[in-house]
Amino acid sequence: QVQLVESGGGLVKPGGSLRLSCAASGFTFSDYYMSWIRQAPGKGLEWVSYISSSGSTIYYADSVKGRFTISRDNAKNSLYLQMNSLRAEDTAVYYCARDNIAAAGSSFDYWGQGTLVTVSS
Amino acid sequence: EIVLTQSPATLSLSPGERATLSCRASQSVSSYLAWYQQKPGQAPRLLIYDASNRATGIPARFSGSGSGTDFTLTISSLEPEDFAVYYCQQRSNWPQITFGQGTRLEIK
Repeated sequence: QVQLVESGGGLVKPGGSLRLSCAASGFTFSDYYMSWIRQAPGKGLEWVSYISSSGSTIYYADSVKGRFTISRDNAKNSLYLQMNSLRAEDTAVYYCARDNIAAAGSSFDYWGQGTLVTVSS
Repeated sequence: EIVLTQSPATLSLSPGERATLSCRASQSVSSYLAWYQQKPGQAPRLLIYDASNRATGIPARFSGSGSGTDFTLTISSLEPEDFAVYYCQQRSNWPQITFGQGTRLEIK
């Protein structure tokens, strides 16, 4: 069965860095586009970044552009999010999500359980 | 940026009743709209994609309709496990993806 397991969250000071990982299993990881999506405590969902199956195409939300870097290692079935210059407003649960290959539009058919990032002094 | 506005913010209904949730886009998103269900402490679950297609394993009581700017998620007869928060999401102006603010469906 499809599984996505995030790790790497934690408490970090403003201006600090953190690297999130997402381990994928149960499907051919290299066939799928992947995204990071976050949810601030008690708030709605915000798409953060997207990477194509080969890693050649990458997009970011304006709120994280220039500070976050998405990457993947298809040999290790893993997705990453390097987060630099963290701000209090980056505090959220971060989910990795698989793109729904059956859809004409982009939607997300599998999600991890999320990892909490807290930015606070 | 395309803004998705969901209504109502909270919907109070009883099991067995029909639920109708709305999502309005600030400009046309064609049929590139999805719906998700999220329960407390859980990740979102995809219900509907491309406005009207049920995702794998989603019960037939969930249906989606609409195109352009106005979309509806209908739950024909509420089960106890359906009480949750529902989000719509668009990707029409790729690569920017946006979500609505959510509708909380609560037990009356």
